Amino acid sequence: KAGVTQTPRYLIKTRGQQVTLSCSPISGHRSVSWYQQTPGQGLQFLFEYFSETQRNKGNFPGRFSGRQFSNSRSEMNVSTLELGDSALYLCASSLDTASNYGYTFGSGTRLTVV
Amino acid sequence: QKEVEQDPGPLSVPEGAIVSLNCTYSNSAFQYFMWYRQYSRKGPELLMYTYSSGNKEDGRFTAQVDKSSKYISLFIRDSQPSDSATYLCAMKRGTEFYFGTGTSLTVIP
Repeated sequence: KAGVTQTPRYLIKTRGQQVTLSCSPISGHRSVSWYQQTPGQGLQFLFEYFSETQRNKGNFPGRFSGRQFSNSRSEMNVSTLELGDSALYLCASSLDTASNYGYTFGSGTRLTVV
Repeated sequence: QKEVEQDPGPLSVPEGAIVSLNCTYSNSAFQYFMWYRQYSRKGPELLMYTYSSGNKEDGRFTAQVDKSSKYISLFIRDSQPSDSATYLCAMKRGTEFYFGTGTSLTVIP
């Protein structure tokens, strides 16, 4: 059974650019959540999508956006990149929205903004 | 103050030692409790989850929840070098998950 697949694994962008990250959840999982992980802040919740609808949103500026497609695949976009956006971006999937039993995470996309 | 507090370590122990990892939380509304293990350059992997106060055992791992003290622990018995990783606690309140910042563990052969 394939796990959660995130592409690309690594990205280097310059300030002001935009970036799109992709996530394919486990087959049959309909909920996809995105997190930003940094050494100082740990995992911070970005947003959750379920059946193509955004169900929850974390406390991030509007430069961070996402969407989910009918096949449950999800993308997140960050516009006007800032140095502070350098982080590991993790996608997590679960069967239902906010499953009580946690997520399955992908390996993440490591974004470096220079 | 963060809602979930976790000592970042790092923690270094000899192989075979018993490891104790801990988190505290401030909101009694947290209902579900989880522990994740994260290897370098990988995403977190769910190790254990529990709902009620008390202990839950799975092999060498025991998760303990004390809701009255707002304190959760993960014990690792007979620790192995392969246990070297960052361990994150997580808790669920309503529809949202809250994570600790992680404790870095190194088990020395």
